[in-house]
Amino acid sequence: NAGVTQTPKFQVLKTGQSMTLQCAQDMNHEYMSWYRQDPGMGLRLIHYSVGAGITDQGEVPNGYNVSRSTTEDFPLRLLSAAPSQTSVYFCASSYSTDPNTEAFFGQGTRLTVV
Amino acid sequence: AQKITQTQPGMFVQEKEAVTLDCTYDTSDQSYGLFWYKQPSSGEMIFLIYQGSYDEQNATEGRYSLNFQKARKSANLVISASQLGDSAMYFCAMREGGSKRGSTLGRLYFGRGTQLTVWP
Repeated sequence: NAGVTQTPKFQVLKTGQSMTLQCAQDMNHEYMSWYRQDPGMGLRLIHYSVGAGITDQGEVPNGYNVSRSTTEDFPLRLLSAAPSQTSVYFCASSYSTDPNTEAFFGQGTRLTVV
Repeated sequence: AQKITQTQPGMFVQEKEAVTLDCTYDTSDQSYGLFWYKQPSSGEMIFLIYQGSYDEQNATEGRYSLNFQKARKSANLVISASQLGDSAMYFCAMREGGSKRGSTLGRLYFGRGTQLTVWP
């Protein structure tokens, strides 16, 4: 049972480059989300999706784009990387937005923008 | 105001001792869930324990228990019989219920974490 699969695990980008972080889950979860983790800040929500074809912005959406064409996949695109986007990124999924549902996390992507 | 507050940036405990990691939360919702996650040095987020706002009993999972004091809005994690492998960052998180819109829908609010070190 794969759960939430996130790739790549590590990435170095030059300022201005674009890239896509991949996220896939095999649990048929409706709710998927992307967080970034910065030292001393906990995790902050970037974008989320409540189902295929439906996405919305979270707390820190600027510089990121998402789409949800299938239930399984929820890629995160960095449009033009900036050093401020150096962070650890986590994809998470849960069965629903119900407060009693656990979120399952991917392994994380450590991104460095130089 | 912060939704989740973890006031202990770092905690130290000797192996086999118990340790309590503090977490307070802020919400006006009646329905919410509280979660603890462990993040070892390898970086992954590991779910430990969950407490629902309507649960009357404190949640327990093996050596982990959640000391839920609703009136005080606290949800402290208690780790009994600490092991060296418990050394990690621990995050408290909350998901609110009710009818949400925009950036709060389904969102998990995280505290800033507590770095636990277990020494022999």
